[in-house]
Amino acid sequence: GENVEQHPSTLSVQEGDSAVIKCTYSDSASNYFPWYKQELGKGPQLIIDIRSNVGEKKDQRIAVTLNKTAKHFSLHITETQPEDSAVYFCAASKGQAGTALIFGKGTTLSVSS
Amino acid sequence: DVKVTQSSRYLVKRTGEKVFLECVQDMDHENMFWYRQDPGLGLRLIYFSYDVKMKEKGDIPEGYSVSREKKERFSLILESASTNQTSMYLCASTRLVQGVYEQYFGPGTRLTVT
Repeated sequence: GENVEQHPSTLSVQEGDSAVIKCTYSDSASNYFPWYKQELGKGPQLIIDIRSNVGEKKDQRIAVTLNKTAKHFSLHITETQPEDSAVYFCAASKGQAGTALIFGKGTTLSVSS
Repeated sequence: DVKVTQSSRYLVKRTGEKVFLECVQDMDHENMFWYRQDPGLGLRLIYFSYDVKMKEKGDIPEGYSVSREKKERFSLILESASTNQTSMYLCASTRLVQGVYEQYFGPGTRLTVT
């Protein structure tokens, strides 16, 4: 079955710096790769996703890249702000009905001002 | 706006009690999921349902059961709660967007079993 590895487990940056979180997946049939942000005491929130027919997607300060050949995808946050501090999860799935997301173990991002 | 609600944010139960965690979505989503989240272990899938009265075991179904009598409601049941079931429980549902199923989470229920 699918396995998703996420690195690093913790990441500390200064406000204004960039942050990069990387994930690898094992199942070449996976075609949907969402990223979630979880703030303290809340459920994970979908912040951006990418499908396998796209190499890069950007939404304001957040971007995600996908390398299907290498089976890895990354989240890039530019100009980080203290409110970006949270736990970030990557996930992978085949995107079909009845299939579950497989999650990485999460990255705790701390942005200090 | 996608909205998934869970019946309780915090719950304290005693060992051996039967516990019901309720999840409701009002968006006519077909797929619903229950996860538990523990430090260092990430999100682990307990059960999911892709239709009314249908259920599939996830990675860690032992000690849990589920019920889906109506499309909008998915219940997680702990038949006899144990201390190792102390955890954050997250419900999710999915909607079809441009050919893939996007998944949305509820706020979570933090369950403590004493």
